[in-house]
Amino acid sequence: TQLLEQSPQFLSIQEGENLTVYCNSSSVFSSLQWYRQEPGEGPVLLVTVVTGGEVKKLKRLTFQFGDARKDSSLHITAAQPGDTGLYLCAGYLTAGNKLTFGGGTRVLVKP
Amino acid sequence: NAGVTQTPKFQVLKTGQSMTLQCAQDMNHEYMSWYRQDPGMGLRLIHYSVGAGITDQGEVPNGYNVSRSTTEDFPLRLLSAAPSQTSVYFCASCRGGDSEAFFGQGTRLTVV
Repeated sequence: TQLLEQSPQFLSIQEGENLTVYCNSSSVFSSLQWYRQEPGEGPVLLVTVVTGGEVKKLKRLTFQFGDARKDSSLHITAAQPGDTGLYLCAGYLTAGNKLTFGGGTRVLVKP
Repeated sequence: NAGVTQTPKFQVLKTGQSMTLQCAQDMNHEYMSWYRQDPGMGLRLIHYSVGAGITDQGEVPNGYNVSRSTTEDFPLRLLSAAPSQTSVYFCASCRGGDSEAFFGQGTRLTVV
């Protein structure tokens, strides 16, 4: 059982639609991060959330950290083909210690 | 502007061979780690280090060794390669706390 469970594993939508990816755990995290990975590349950070209930927006992407700091979500509004990729959530149980990743959500946005 | 550099990018090994995957960072980060990524999956932590001379095991450490003699370098050794170790390996570094992890380009390893 993974410490961070992502759902869904795969999402295929049409351009212009909205999507939400979830990252859940039974453990409390110091912070959660979202990364995006392109084929053949390493993951690249999108955002870090550190405060329970925090909401961060990055253009069409909205990230939320749960009040209890056990879960997070990523919402994309009006998805574009350029949003296609593997989205990974990751978290620090304790700041400055090991960074644990979820299983990833593969997003395909069709034109 | 190198960031995290991994070598080699590709490697084919025969079962039972040993090798070392190199990782170097030039950002003076204390924290470094190694992950493996299997097709269509997330990253699983192999080993990590919170500073020179300090290493610890992650989720999947068996069959791998690490050492951290300098802040810059964090090599990963495969002692006796097995087909189950066929994967893409990523090295990452960060400055600690809740900070961003910076990743290398990855090493694609095939064990036949």
